[in-house]
Amino acid sequence: GAVVSQHPSWVICKSGTSVKIECRSLDFQATTMFWYRQFPKQSLMLMATSNEGSKATYEQGVEKDKFLINHASLTLSTLTVTSAHPEDSSFYICSVSPALPGDYTFGSGTRLTVV
Amino acid sequence: AQTVTQSQPEMSVQEAETVTLSCTYDTSESDYYLFWYKQPPSRQMILVIRQEAYKQQNATENRFSVNFQKAAKSFSLKISDSQLGDAAMYFCAYGEKLTFGTGTRLTIIP
Repeated sequence: GAVVSQHPSWVICKSGTSVKIECRSLDFQATTMFWYRQFPKQSLMLMATSNEGSKATYEQGVEKDKFLINHASLTLSTLTVTSAHPEDSSFYICSVSPALPGDYTFGSGTRLTVV
Repeated sequence: AQTVTQSQPEMSVQEAETVTLSCTYDTSESDYYLFWYKQPPSRQMILVIRQEAYKQQNATENRFSVNFQKAAKSFSLKISDSQLGDAAMYFCAYGEKLTFGTGTRLTIIP
Protein backbone atom coordinates (compact mmCIF):
# COMPACT_ATOMS: atom_id res chain seq x y z
CA GLY A 1 0.00 0.00 0.00
CA ALA A 2 0.85 3.68 -0.12
CA VAL A 3 2.84 5.53 2.51
CA VAL A 4 1.10 8.59 3.94
CA SER A 5 2.73 11.14 6.20
CA GLN A 6 0.64 13.55 8.22
CA HIS A 7 2.06 16.53 10.08
CA PRO A 8 1.93 17.72 12.78
CA SER A 9 0.91 14.80 14.96
CA TRP A 10 -0.43 17.15 17.55
CA VAL A 11 -0.92 20.89 17.88
CA ILE A 12 -2.25 23.30 20.47
CA CYS A 13 -3.42 26.69 19.33
CA LYS A 14 -5.18 29.68 20.78
CA SER A 15 -8.80 30.36 19.99
CA GLY A 16 -9.13 32.58 16.93
CA THR A 17 -5.91 31.48 15.25
CA SER A 18 -5.53 29.24 12.21
CA VAL A 19 -3.83 25.88 12.02
CA LYS A 20 -2.56 24.06 8.94
CA ILE A 21 -2.34 20.27 8.75
CA GLU A 22 -0.38 18.59 5.98
CA CYS A 23 -0.99 15.23 4.38
CA ARG A 24 1.68 13.86 2.08
CA SER A 25 1.58 10.82 -0.14
CA LEU A 26 5.22 9.73 -0.11
CA ASP A 27 5.28 7.09 -2.81
CA PHE A 28 2.14 7.63 -4.80
CA GLN A 29 0.68 10.47 -6.83
CA ALA A 30 -2.70 11.01 -5.28
CA THR A 31 -5.26 12.86 -7.35
CA THR A 32 -7.71 12.39 -4.52
CA MET A 33 -7.24 12.56 -0.77
CA PHE A 34 -9.81 12.41 1.99
CA TRP A 35 -10.07 14.30 5.27
CA TYR A 36 -11.83 12.86 8.30
CA ARG A 37 -12.55 14.12 11.79
CA GLN A 38 -12.86 11.96 14.87
CA PHE A 39 -14.22 13.34 18.14
CA PRO A 40 -13.23 11.56 21.35
CA LYS A 41 -14.71 8.10 21.62
CA GLN A 42 -16.58 8.55 18.36
CA SER A 43 -16.25 7.31 14.83
CA LEU A 44 -14.53 8.92 11.89
CA MET A 45 -16.62 11.30 9.86
CA LEU A 46 -15.69 12.26 6.32
CA MET A 47 -15.27 16.01 6.07
CA ALA A 48 -14.22 16.50 2.49
CA THR A 49 -12.68 15.00 -0.60
CA SER A 50 -9.59 16.83 -1.76
CA ASN A 51 -9.09 16.90 -5.52
CA GLU A 52 -5.75 17.83 -7.07
CA GLY A 53 -6.00 21.01 -9.07
CA SER A 54 -9.63 21.69 -8.29
CA LYS A 55 -11.91 22.60 -5.43
CA ALA A 56 -12.53 20.19 -2.63
CA THR A 57 -15.89 18.53 -2.24
CA TYR A 58 -17.31 19.05 1.25
CA GLU A 59 -19.73 16.81 3.05
CA GLN A 60 -23.02 18.20 4.22
CA GLY A 61 -22.67 20.24 7.38
CA VAL A 62 -18.96 20.97 6.97
CA GLU A 63 -18.15 24.67 6.66
CA LYS A 64 -15.94 25.13 3.63
CA ASP A 65 -14.84 28.59 4.72
CA LYS A 66 -13.72 27.26 8.07
CA PHE A 67 -11.96 24.14 6.86
CA LEU A 68 -9.90 25.22 3.88
CA ILE A 69 -8.49 22.43 1.77
CA ASN A 70 -5.74 22.88 -0.78
CA HIS A 71 -4.49 20.08 -3.00
CA ALA A 72 -1.94 21.90 -5.11
CA SER A 73 0.20 18.90 -6.02
CA LEU A 74 -0.21 15.19 -6.49
CA THR A 75 1.58 14.49 -3.23
CA LEU A 76 0.31 17.14 -0.84
CA SER A 77 -3.06 18.14 0.54
CA THR A 78 -3.45 20.65 3.34
CA LEU A 79 -6.32 21.28 5.72
CA THR A 80 -6.40 24.70 7.37
CA VAL A 81 -8.70 25.21 10.32
CA THR A 82 -9.40 28.94 10.26
CA SER A 83 -10.37 30.99 13.30
CA ALA A 84 -10.23 27.88 15.43
CA HIS A 85 -12.52 27.52 18.43
CA PRO A 86 -12.49 24.98 21.26
CA GLU A 87 -15.28 23.00 19.57
CA ASP A 88 -12.89 22.39 16.66
CA SER A 89 -10.67 20.38 18.97
CA SER A 90 -10.59 16.91 17.46
CA PHE A 91 -8.50 14.26 15.77
CA TYR A 92 -8.06 14.92 12.06
CA ILE A 93 -6.98 12.12 9.72
CA CYS A 94 -6.27 12.04 6.01
CA SER A 95 -6.29 9.10 3.65
CA VAL A 96 -5.42 8.24 0.08
CA SER A 97 -6.72 5.56 -2.23
CA PRO A 98 -3.88 4.68 -4.58
CA ALA A 99 -5.23 1.73 -6.47
CA LEU A 100 -8.57 0.07 -6.92
CA PRO A 101 -11.49 1.39 -4.91
CA GLY A 102 -11.23 0.16 -1.39
CA ASP A 103 -7.48 0.34 -1.02
CA TYR A 104 -7.13 3.12 1.52
CA THR A 105 -4.09 4.17 3.48
CA PHE A 106 -4.46 6.55 6.38
CA GLY A 107 -2.12 9.11 7.82
CA SER A 108 -1.23 8.87 11.49
CA GLY A 109 -3.58 11.70 12.37
CA THR A 110 -3.33 15.12 13.99
CA ARG A 111 -4.69 15.86 17.41
CA LEU A 112 -5.82 19.50 17.51
CA THR A 113 -6.50 21.20 20.80
CA VAL A 114 -7.85 24.74 20.77
CA VAL A 115 -7.52 26.64 24.02
CA ALA B 1 -27.93 7.87 2.67
CA GLN B 2 -25.94 4.87 3.70
CA THR B 3 -25.72 4.03 7.37
CA VAL B 4 -23.55 1.57 9.25
CA THR B 5 -24.55 0.16 12.63
CA GLN B 6 -22.35 -1.60 15.14
CA SER B 7 -24.52 -2.70 18.01
CA GLN B 8 -21.72 -3.82 20.33
CA PRO B 9 -19.89 -0.86 21.90
CA GLU B 10 -17.58 -3.22 23.78
CA MET B 11 -16.58 -6.85 23.52
CA SER B 12 -14.08 -8.97 25.37
CA VAL B 13 -12.58 -12.34 24.62
CA GLN B 14 -10.15 -14.70 26.26
CA GLU B 15 -6.78 -14.94 24.59
CA ALA B 16 -6.71 -17.73 21.96
CA GLU B 17 -10.51 -17.83 21.76
CA THR B 18 -12.76 -16.67 18.92
CA VAL B 19 -14.87 -13.53 18.87
CA THR B 20 -17.36 -12.15 16.38
CA LEU B 21 -18.07 -8.46 15.92
CA SER B 22 -21.37 -7.47 14.34
CA CYS B 23 -22.10 -4.90 11.68
CA THR B 24 -25.20 -4.08 9.68
CA TYR B 25 -25.59 -1.47 6.99
CA ASP B 26 -28.22 0.11 4.86
CA THR B 27 -27.85 0.84 1.17
CA SER B 28 -29.80 0.83 -2.05
CA GLU B 29 -26.71 0.04 -4.12
CA SER B 30 -26.07 -3.42 -5.51
CA ASP B 31 -22.30 -3.21 -5.87
CA TYR B 32 -20.16 -1.77 -3.12
CA TYR B 33 -17.26 -2.37 -0.77
CA LEU B 34 -17.30 -3.18 2.92
CA PHE B 35 -14.37 -2.93 5.30
CA TRP B 36 -13.24 -3.64 8.79
CA TYR B 37 -10.63 -1.26 10.19
CA LYS B 38 -8.69 -1.56 13.40
CA GLN B 39 -7.67 1.48 15.43
CA PRO B 40 -5.20 0.68 18.23
CA PRO B 41 -4.32 3.21 20.94
CA SER B 42 -1.90 4.86 18.51
CA ARG B 43 -5.05 5.83 16.55
CA GLN B 44 -3.52 4.71 13.27
CA MET B 45 -6.28 3.24 11.11
CA ILE B 46 -5.32 -0.19 9.85
CA LEU B 47 -7.27 -2.14 7.25
CA VAL B 48 -8.15 -5.58 8.56
CA ILE B 49 -10.24 -6.99 5.75
CA ARG B 50 -12.19 -5.92 2.68
CA GLN B 51 -15.21 -7.46 0.95
CA GLU B 52 -16.60 -6.68 -2.48
CA ALA B 53 -20.35 -7.07 -2.55
CA TYR B 54 -20.48 -8.83 -5.90
CA LYS B 55 -18.26 -11.60 -4.57
CA GLN B 56 -20.29 -14.26 -2.81
CA GLN B 57 -17.25 -15.80 -1.17
CA ASN B 58 -16.47 -14.44 2.28
CA ALA B 59 -13.14 -12.67 2.55
CA THR B 60 -10.44 -14.16 4.75
CA GLU B 61 -7.12 -12.76 5.95
CA ASN B 62 -5.25 -15.19 8.18
CA ARG B 63 -7.08 -15.21 11.54
CA PHE B 64 -9.68 -12.71 10.34
CA SER B 65 -12.72 -13.68 8.33
CA VAL B 66 -16.09 -12.17 7.57
CA ASN B 67 -19.61 -13.49 7.32
CA PHE B 68 -21.14 -11.40 4.55
CA GLN B 69 -24.90 -11.75 4.20
CA LYS B 70 -25.86 -9.42 1.37
CA ALA B 71 -29.61 -9.92 1.57
CA ALA B 72 -29.58 -9.28 5.29
CA LYS B 73 -27.08 -6.42 4.87
CA SER B 74 -24.89 -7.94 7.53
CA PHE B 75 -21.10 -7.98 7.64
CA SER B 76 -19.65 -9.54 10.78
CA LEU B 77 -15.97 -10.01 11.59
CA LYS B 78 -14.66 -13.18 13.17
CA ILE B 79 -11.30 -13.13 14.88
CA SER B 80 -9.90 -16.57 15.58
CA ASP B 81 -7.13 -17.41 18.04
CA SER B 82 -7.36 -13.93 19.57
CA GLN B 83 -4.06 -12.35 20.50
CA LEU B 84 -3.20 -9.52 22.88
CA GLY B 85 -2.26 -7.37 19.90
CA ASP B 86 -5.80 -7.59 18.60
CA ALA B 87 -7.00 -5.27 21.34
CA ALA B 88 -8.27 -2.12 19.64
CA MET B 89 -11.32 -0.27 18.38
CA TYR B 90 -12.80 -2.00 15.37
CA PHE B 91 -14.78 0.00 12.84
CA CYS B 92 -16.99 -1.39 10.13
CA ALA B 93 -17.12 0.85 7.05
CA TYR B 94 -19.15 1.03 3.86
CA GLY B 95 -18.36 2.27 0.40
CA GLU B 96 -15.67 4.19 -1.40
CA LYS B 97 -16.11 7.24 0.82
CA LEU B 98 -15.93 5.10 3.95
CA THR B 99 -19.04 5.64 6.02
CA PHE B 100 -18.01 4.29 9.40
CA GLY B 101 -19.96 2.63 12.15
CA THR B 102 -19.59 3.76 15.75
CA GLY B 103 -17.02 1.12 16.56
CA THR B 104 -16.56 -1.80 18.93
CA ARG B 105 -13.87 -1.73 21.56
CA LEU B 106 -12.31 -5.19 21.78
CA THR B 107 -10.50 -6.23 24.92
CA ILE B 108 -8.36 -9.35 25.05
CA ILE B 109 -8.23 -11.11 28.40
CA PRO B 110 -4.89 -12.83 29.05
